[in-house]
Amino acid sequence: ETGVTQSPTHLIKTRGQQVTLRCSSQSGHNTVSWYQQALGQGPQFIFQYYREEENGRGNFPPRFSGLQFPNYSSELNVNALELDDSALYLCASSAGSTSGRNEQFFGPGTRLTVL
Amino acid sequence: AQTVTQSQPEMSVQEAETVTLSCTYDTSESDYYLFWYKQPPSRQMILVIRQEAYKQQNATENRFSVNFQKAAKSFSLKISDSQLGDAAMYFCAYRPGHYQLIWGAGTKLIIKP
Repeated sequence: ETGVTQSPTHLIKTRGQQVTLRCSSQSGHNTVSWYQQALGQGPQFIFQYYREEENGRGNFPPRFSGLQFPNYSSELNVNALELDDSALYLCASSAGSTSGRNEQFFGPGTRLTVL
Repeated sequence: AQTVTQSQPEMSVQEAETVTLSCTYDTSESDYYLFWYKQPPSRQMILVIRQEAYKQQNATENRFSVNFQKAAKSFSLKISDSQLGDAAMYFCAYRPGHYQLIWGAGTKLIIKP
């Protein structure tokens, strides 16, 4: 069974650029959640996708957007990058969206640095 | 606002001894889930233990156990027989519904050999 994978591992961008981060969910999982973890802090929820539809969003501006594909992999897109977007971006997948007890399995994250 | 507070930025314990990490949360919900996650230097979040709020019995997973006090909104993690591999950041998280996790700021656990 393949776990959650994310690409790339590290990424360096400059302010104002756009970035796309990718996540492959664990086999059998149809829900993907994205989190932003700034250095020295706990993760912050960005949004969640369930069966290709966004079904929950945290307090992030519209320049943070996402997609989920029919194979349940997902992308996180960030436009007009700001210095404060520098963080570790975590993707988590789970089986089903209707129960809070469904365990979220996390990928290793993408470290984004904005210069 | 729903918040999770971990008041100990760093804790250290001698190998083989017991350590307790603290977590409190603020919520008006009656049904929710609580989690402890471990994040080693490899960065990957690993679920340590889970507690459902409607269950009065404290969850236990091998050397890891929780003290869940619903009225006090407290959810501490006890690690018995600490091992070098337990060294990591530990995050307490709260899940009020079926999607987002709300996280604390984390506690860095150091194991002294």
